Amino acid sequence: QITLKESGPTLVKPTQTLTLTCTFSGFSLTTSGAAVGWIRQPPGKALEWLALIYWDDDMRYSPSLKTRLAITKDTSKSQVVLTLTNMDTVDTATYYCAYQDFKNRGLTFDIWGQGTMVTVSS
Amino acid sequence: QTVLTQPPSVSGAPGQRVTISCTGSRSNIGANYHVHWFQQLPGSAPKLLIYGDSNRPSGVPDRFSGSRSDTSASLAVTGLQAEDEADYYCQSYDSSLSAYVFGTGTKVTVL
Repeated sequence: QITLKESGPTLVKPTQTLTLTCTFSGFSLTTSGAAVGWIRQPPGKALEWLALIYWDDDMRYSPSLKTRLAITKDTSKSQVVLTLTNMDTVDTATYYCAYQDFKNRGLTFDIWGQGTMVTVSS
Repeated sequence: QTVLTQPPSVSGAPGQRVTISCTGSRSNIGANYHVHWFQQLPGSAPKLLIYGDSNRPSGVPDRFSGSRSDTSASLAVTGLQAEDEADYYCQSYDSSLSAYVFGTGTKVTVL
């Protein structure tokens, strides 16, 4: 059974850097075709893809946020970490991490974490 | 970046059939990238409902079906039930943006 869980601060100040951790189980990020992505959802708004890291260390970023994002993985800890710099109030959202099984499902997100709400406020 | 357009809301009575459209462009759906659909119940994370245009993960009722044509796709829900009341999102990949893209979202209301 695949599970993912996001963790990190619930409140950050403007200009600070947000660091979120996705801890997963039930798969390995060394397995060919596996990937973990981050998606966020501002309150009452649509989903927005942020970043993705593949089993082979390939990383992809949203073009609109590329300069502020970084994604890394620690396969020994079964974790993926997302950092978003220079936080602003518009970055207030629920942040989800999700598992991609490229070989069986294609370019989508098969299993999602429960999400973590991050508020940006001074 | 929202490049897939959905109607804000659709509604239907229990037992009826509703459809949700997802309109893209030649750089995403029209470029033969598959369309996937998610169901998001109130207060919950999205759940993959349809992948690869028309495939259902195990456990998803066959009341849900997907299709794709040219630069658009559709999700159909037949035999509408109260538990289907949720937000639905389409998703694809855009080659011009080199990004995963989501639809604007559709709220389904069961009357």
